[in-house]
Amino acid sequence: AQSVAQPEDQVNVAEGNPLTVKCTYSVSGNPYLFWYVQYPNRGLQFLLKYITGDNLVKGSYGFEAEFNKSQTSFHLKKPSALVSDSALYFCAVRVTGFQKLVFGTGTRLLVSP
Amino acid sequence: NAGVTQTPKFRILKIGQSMTLQCTQDMNHNYMYWYRQDPGMGLKLIYYSVGAGITDKGEVPNGYNVSRSTTEDFPLRLELAAPSQTSVYFCASSREIQGQTKETQYFGPGTRLLVL
Repeated sequence: AQSVAQPEDQVNVAEGNPLTVKCTYSVSGNPYLFWYVQYPNRGLQFLLKYITGDNLVKGSYGFEAEFNKSQTSFHLKKPSALVSDSALYFCAVRVTGFQKLVFGTGTRLLVSP
Repeated sequence: NAGVTQTPKFRILKIGQSMTLQCTQDMNHNYMYWYRQDPGMGLKLIYYSVGAGITDKGEVPNGYNVSRSTTEDFPLRLELAAPSQTSVYFCASSREIQGQTKETQYFGPGTRLLVL
């Protein structure tokens, strides 16, 4: 069965410092991996996705994620955090032929000034 | 493009009442989905549709019904509201090619439902 784990409920980082939000997955086939961000009282916004090709994926708002097949991970990163990056981040995985997008439980990112 | 729109934004229901959550997308996407989001949890798929006239159950379909008479609209019906259906409901859509299911899903702003 497909699953996604986000081991940290919350990540705290100071503005200007690099940030990492962790995600690991478990699938039986080739994974399609996604990161979404949710601001308070808003829907999910797409950040980036990995389908195939280059393991380093660049997305919106300066975010990037690295696909690591051996470690089954897809960590979200940003070189320099902004206070406005504070939000709830969801990792999700999909396998071809399956309609379901499986979400992790989310990681709250708090960037302090 | 407005993207995915949902109405209402917020609703309070009494136990046993019924209501329909509306969802419309203007991106000509063939696939549409309904999710619910409970506190501290990820999103759970309720129902999905791969095209007009075709719907199927997701992980948590009990207590809900859907229809897809047009490409644009995918309403979610709650027939007998229960407190367990208190949640935030998100509609999403995507354009999938040949069933590859790898495309980005775009989400609406959500409907917050409280059942008392």
